[in-house]
Order: sequence, then structure tokens, then C-alpha cells
Amino acid sequence: GESVGLHLPTLSVQEGDNSIINCAYSNSASDYFIWYKQESGKGPQFIIDIRSNMDKRQGQRVTVLLNKTVKHLSLQIAATQPGDSAVYFCAEINGGATNKLIFGTGTLLAVQP
Amino acid sequence: EAQVTQNPRYLITVTGKKLTVTCSQNMNHEYMSWYRQDPGLGLRQIYYSMNVEVTDKGDVPEGYKVSRKEKRNFPLILESPSPNQTSLYFCASSTQPRALYGYTFGSGTRLTVV
Repeated sequence: GESVGLHLPTLSVQEGDNSIINCAYSNSASDYFIWYKQESGKGPQFIIDIRSNMDKRQGQRVTVLLNKTVKHLSLQIAATQPGDSAVYFCAEINGGATNKLIFGTGTLLAVQP
Repeated sequence: EAQVTQNPRYLITVTGKKLTVTCSQNMNHEYMSWYRQDPGLGLRQIYYSMNVEVTDKGDVPEGYKVSRKEKRNFPLILESPSPNQTSLYFCASSTQPRALYGYTFGSGTRLTVV
């Protein structure tokens, strides 16, 4: 079957470089945001989240930045490794509404050795 | 291990032959949902359930049914599959009322309808 990575914007980086993946979200009322990683043949996996009362959150090798003014999220991956190659999705939840996650279309990260 | 389990992983069937894709979670989550994923269209919600016996349509419910008789199980039923339902399907679950830490996804079911 077709790969989920087809038709997606692609970011190609060299191993060891830093990666920045961007996402524009749709709803100014959204108050919780998540980045997911989807490797080939697997389901999406939680990477990091951020609430709307924050503008930056750091994890292990990953940082999420939130700019509510322009409704923009970014995921920064430090020292990118071949195992980071995957499709990355941002997702938002509308505060006060049902539990529905709205997903972005995704970015394919290709790490060159 | 906390997980969402879908079966089968791969399924090829013929048009019109009823099928069920099972989904089970062991995290005592109230909220469960089915998505389909197609190239260029991303993840689209089919149906969701906020608790036992409470289900509702998502964005693309046509041609699908679900049931939620027990908290842990949320099967997806295709009464009369058609080729446009060929897709990659994911089941997901989360806490209620808010999805703390987002959704936990299953490994996916790749369905081909010929």
C-alpha cells in the first residue's frame, strides 16, 4: 500500500544537524497541542505536548515552541539521528469542546547519514 | 504494558463482504475513536465514543458502524465494504473529559477492498 509519507512536505537533514518542523494550527480557542511521530508501518506516538499558557517546553532532544499570536507551533529536534526519520504531526484540542484532536497533515523528516 | 491493540494488521476482502476490525485498550480509558489515514488527506475521524454505550459520528462516518458495549472494546464494522474504504485505519483512546497526554494509538489495520 502507499506510504503515509507520500504527498507530504519533506524536510531533509544531515545526521547530527538540528531539525525544525513547523505547523500552523487552525483554532485560536485551542488550548492544548501535541506533536506526534509516525514511523513507517506504525501508529502515531506521542512526543511532547504544550498548553496554551506556555510558549516553550523542552523534552529530551526535543523542544516545542508555541506562538499564539500567529497560531504557529514548531518542533525542534537536536542532533537529529537516523531513528528520527518519520512523519511528524501536530495536533490541537479545542478547550471546552469534546475530546477531539484536530491533526495537521504532517511533515516527512528524512535524515541523511 | 499500556496499549491499544487492533486486529487484524492486514486485511484483503471483496466488495460487499461484511467485516469487523477489533480494538481493545487496557488503560481504562473512557474515550475511544477510529481514524482512517489516506495519502494527502491525513488522519480523519470516523466515529468516537465518550463512554460505554455513547458513540457519535466523526468527520467521515459513511459506510461504517461502531459499538461500545464494554469500556475496553470499540470494534469498527463495515457492513458492505467498497473499494473507497481501502485505507489505513487506526484506533485510539484517551482519558476523559480531556485527553491528558493526547491519544494512544494502535498499530493500525491496512484494509484493501477489491
